[in-house]
Amino acid sequence: GDQVEQSPSALSLHEGTGSALRCNFTTTMRAVQWFRKNSRGSLINLFYLASGTKENGRLKSAFDSKERYSTLHIRDAQLEDSGTYFCAASASSGSWQLIFGSGTQLTVMP
Amino acid sequence: EAAVTQSPRNKVTVTGGNVTLSCRQTNSHNYMYWYRQDTGHGLRLIHYSYGAGNLQIGDVPDGYKATRTTQEDFFLLLELASPSQTSLYFCASSAGHLYAEQFFGPGTRLTVL
Repeated sequence: GDQVEQSPSALSLHEGTGSALRCNFTTTMRAVQWFRKNSRGSLINLFYLASGTKENGRLKSAFDSKERYSTLHIRDAQLEDSGTYFCAASASSGSWQLIFGSGTQLTVMP
Repeated sequence: EAAVTQSPRNKVTVTGGNVTLSCRQTNSHNYMYWYRQDTGHGLRLIHYSYGAGNLQIGDVPDGYKATRTTQEDFFLLLELASPSQTSLYFCASSAGHLYAEQFFGPGTRLTVL
C-alpha cells in the first residue's frame, strides 16, 4: 500500500483563514519535504525537516518521525497560496528514495 | 538565479516521436533525478544519477532512457514516445541521496498526440 497518505485531497479556504494539511506514513521516515506547485507548474521547496518544526512566514511545518506524520499549517491564507501542495518523505530503512503524497489542491477564495 | 533549469518548458510531439528533455543544475550536486507527475499522483522517479556517466533505474523507467553527460547536465530520452508518456516532468538535484534535500527545476510539460 501507499507509504505516504496525504489529506485532504482538496481544500478551499477564504482569504485570511487557515488550515492544516497532513501526511501520514506507514513506515518510519527519516526526513520530509513539503512543496507547492504553482499555477505555472513549477515545484517550489517549502520545507525540509528531519525532525521538529519549522516556520516561514505564514507557513509552519512539523514532523514527528516516531508518530509517523507531518503537517503543514497555513495561516492568513492569501490568493497566491492557491496551488497543489505535496509532501515527500525518505524512509529510514530500505530505499532512500523520496516517496511523494498524492497532493492537496488548495484554492483560496476572496 | 535558478539553480536547476529545464528545457524545453513545453513540448508537443506525436506518437513514435523522439524527444529529449534537458536539465542543468548549478548547485554542484552529485545526484540528479528525473520524475514524472500525473494528475492525482505524487511524483514518480524515472531515473537518477550520482555523477557523470552514471545512470540508475528508478521506479517507472519503462520507455525512458537517460544520460548524464557532465555533473551539471542530465538528459531524459523518449525514443518512441507514446500518449501514456504525456505528463509533467521534473528534474531535481541533491548533494547526496541518503535523506538529502532535493531541489527541483520548473518542470517540462510534454504532450504526446
